[in-house]
Amino acid sequence: QKEVEQNSGPLSVPEGAIASLNCTYSDRGSQSFFWYRQYSGKSPELIMFIYSNGDKEDGRFTAQLNKASQYVSLLIRDSQPSDSATYLCAVNVPPGNTGKLIFGQGTTLQVKP
Amino acid sequence: GAVVSQHPSRVICKSGTSVKIECRSLDFQATTMFWYRQFPKQSLMLMATSNEGSKATYEQGVEKDKFLINHASLTLSTLTVTSAHPEDSSFYICSAIRTDGTDTQYFGPGTRLTVL
Repeated sequence: QKEVEQNSGPLSVPEGAIASLNCTYSDRGSQSFFWYRQYSGKSPELIMFIYSNGDKEDGRFTAQLNKASQYVSLLIRDSQPSDSATYLCAVNVPPGNTGKLIFGQGTTLQVKP
Repeated sequence: GAVVSQHPSRVICKSGTSVKIECRSLDFQATTMFWYRQFPKQSLMLMATSNEGSKATYEQGVEKDKFLINHASLTLSTLTVTSAHPEDSSFYICSAIRTDGTDTQYFGPGTRLTVL
């Protein structure tokens, strides 16, 4: 069974610190990886996607992908209280390019002022 | 950006009635849309894939006769919950794929359904 695993948390960091969120996936055929942020009672919003091994930076966010280890992470620098939310890791379902995703259960991040 | 809307945002209905939820891609065409359901403190569960001009593909365990999906145009998919019961109360979220090479899913704001 295809799976995406995340630590549910909560992960608590002080304001200004780096938050590190981790995700592992089971299907080696997966090629597309996404991070979404979901505030309580709201729908997910895309933070970033990554396809290639290595790092991808966008503002305060950096996604890291290691396909050999089947591991994808999200770093949030200079964490702000407004970053407090649930972060969902999503991985495409191979084969083919159907756009279908499997979501992890999400990691709750708490940024304390 | 890619904007997806849903209507209504919140609906309360009596048990046994049917409820229709609309999902629209406002600034792009979407040949594929997805419908998810999310219970409190749980992750998103994919219900079905909605394909423009063809039948929806349902995930295992999702009753296609209960959750009717119609994707009549490149910007609109509808989900009808037929004969709703209290256990159908949930947060229903649609997403649309923007075919810009990334195949990224953009989510609508969700519809909170409460069945009394």
